[in-house]
Amino acid sequence: GGIITQTPKFLIGQEGQKLTLKCQQNFNHDTMYWYRQDSGKGLRLIYYSITENDLQKGDLSEGYDASREKKSSFSLTVTSAQKNEMAVFLCASSLQGADTQYFGPGTRLLVL
Amino acid sequence: GEQVEQLPSILRVQEGSSASINCSYEDSASNYFPWYKQEPGENPKLIIDIRSNMERKQIQELIVLLDKKAKRFSLHITDTQPGDSAMYFCAASDTGYQNFYFGKGTSLTVIP
Repeated sequence: GGIITQTPKFLIGQEGQKLTLKCQQNFNHDTMYWYRQDSGKGLRLIYYSITENDLQKGDLSEGYDASREKKSSFSLTVTSAQKNEMAVFLCASSLQGADTQYFGPGTRLLVL
Repeated sequence: GEQVEQLPSILRVQEGSSASINCSYEDSASNYFPWYKQEPGENPKLIIDIRSNMERKQIQELIVLLDKKAKRFSLHITDTQPGDSAMYFCAASDTGYQNFYFGKGTSLTVIP
């Protein structure tokens, strides 16, 4: 089995701040995803990557950047945090598209 | 419109009865349909999935049905238990685009 880790677990930022979230997987999966989940709501895709150095925009990419530095890691940057923003950012990976996605534990963001 | 519509958004059932969640999708190329269960404070976990070469799949008390013609799929939990209380998400994916579309989720409460 493998594992997905996300750091940090909790992130408190200031309005306008640039914030970076990291994700690592040791499944040796090709595809990695970043989702945003607002309280009590569904998952919205921000970015995904099908291989190292690849980036594909999801429906919610505005206001975010991402980087797939190597196969095992995928980072997400909130380019300018919005005041009172509160959400959970979930990273996931799958062997390929249309395969089971395994989710990380999430990063909980709060912007003061 | 939404790529994947999920209904109902809230579902309350008595312990021991069945619970049904329905999803519909737009893209006829979709060929993989996973279901995820998310408990409070936890990440989504895959509970069952079905591919387009099947119409029905059962794992213990979980049954998924797929109607490709109608572009609908559903999850049925038989003999519900309080431990089944959680958020449930359906998703649809197409190997060609390596993109997942999630439904908005169903909050299931099983009343003892």
